[in-house]
Amino acid sequence: EPEVTQTPSHQVTQMGQEVILRCVPISNHLYFYWYRQILGQKVEFLVSFYNNEISEKSEIFDDQFSVERPDGSNFTLKIRSTKLEDSAMYFCASSVLLRDTQYFGPGTRLTVL
Amino acid sequence: GENVEQHPSTLSVQEGDSAVIKCTYSDSASNYFPWYKQELGKRPQLIIDIRSNVGEKKDQRIAVTLNKTAKHFSLHITETQPEDSAVYFCAASNNQAGTALIFGKGTTLSVSS
Repeated sequence: EPEVTQTPSHQVTQMGQEVILRCVPISNHLYFYWYRQILGQKVEFLVSFYNNEISEKSEIFDDQFSVERPDGSNFTLKIRSTKLEDSAMYFCASSVLLRDTQYFGPGTRLTVL
Repeated sequence: GENVEQHPSTLSVQEGDSAVIKCTYSDSASNYFPWYKQELGKRPQLIIDIRSNVGEKKDQRIAVTLNKTAKHFSLHITETQPEDSAVYFCAASNNQAGTALIFGKGTTLSVSS
């Protein structure tokens, strides 16, 4: 069964550095999402992406964040200047259509020192 | 915006017992309610979902009920097994207006044998 994949599984960075988290959505899916989960807390929506545009974004998704689909398979989340509070598990998800099930990747644990 | 409350935060049952997890939502326009199971260190996986045009849905030992008037929905697991032990998240979404899943804080279910 196809799955969403994410790399790396764990990223450690210094505060102020840029990080790029990578995702490969399921191949026939058209909607892509990023969520984050701070340790011990709920999963929070960051952004959704469709047809090479942001469809929706939350208050968390400020100017420090950006998303891109650089090619036909990858979907990336960039954090320009990381802060300590960006430490979290970042999940990518994808769905076939807008109202369909969202399938989650295994996550990237980001640790900002 | 939408807010989802989930109770209880932890639930311990004996193998074979039933478990019930309840969620309330605030936005009466929400029309899609998935439940995800997250085992330690793994991705959230959809276990069942319900849309606002039905009141109940069942899949083997798992059922979800929805009360639109009261704006709450519940997950019912019967004949619990140790492998049901995990964190369960409810979520709500208004598919007509947006793409975001708004999650509850999660319930840690422990099934002891």
